[in-house]
Amino acid sequence: DGGITQSPKYLFRKEGQNVTLSCEQNLNHDAMYWYRQDPGQGLRLIYYSQIVNDFQKGDIAEGYSVSREKKESFPLTVTSAQKNPTAFYLCASSMLQGANEKLFFGSGTQLSVL
Amino acid sequence: AQKITQTQPGMFVQEKEAVTLDCTYDTSDQSYGLFWYKQPSSGEMIFLIYQGSYDEQNATEGRYSLNFQKARKSANLVISASQLGDSAMYFCAMRELSFGNEKLTFGTGTRLTIIP
Repeated sequence: DGGITQSPKYLFRKEGQNVTLSCEQNLNHDAMYWYRQDPGQGLRLIYYSQIVNDFQKGDIAEGYSVSREKKESFPLTVTSAQKNPTAFYLCASSMLQGANEKLFFGSGTQLSVL
Repeated sequence: AQKITQTQPGMFVQEKEAVTLDCTYDTSDQSYGLFWYKQPSSGEMIFLIYQGSYDEQNATEGRYSLNFQKARKSANLVISASQLGDSAMYFCAMRELSFGNEKLTFGTGTRLTIIP
């Protein structure tokens, strides 16, 4: 089945540690996105990528890094510089053909700090 | 300034009644798209309905319809004959073409609870 796979479902980070969240899609979509969700704040864009080897910062990129070496994959690294990383992280993808292109989402990763 | 405003943090509705979830947006673009997503407690985001800024008819998808009032910049979601399975968070979102349609901006959501 086509879709977006995020792993792991739950992740724990120790102080000063970098952690990487995985996102893989087999929808042949050009664009991929990472959103952060905090209670009562909706979804906020961290990074997005429209093409392999290129990505742009979203609204809250500080403390995060990404790579896009393959069309199918867009991993997110939460670095030690991100002082408040506890949140629900959602990966999404879409085509790039117009305003009506909806985002398809993965099932999310809950990151918590130990 | 908030691009997408959802003023109802939570709503309680009796089963089988209709419910309207409010959404207002702010943009200077002429071309944009409006989306509604549902997020059950499991966490995944489920696409419900889309409305384009040039669409003259209100969008409908089964029990979902979008009450689009362009001059008022509102895009309210209407759910007819609500069911217990409709209990979830609902998010309104907008894509603006002037920024190359690279991202959706989301509102803060409305938590809908259907009462049996």
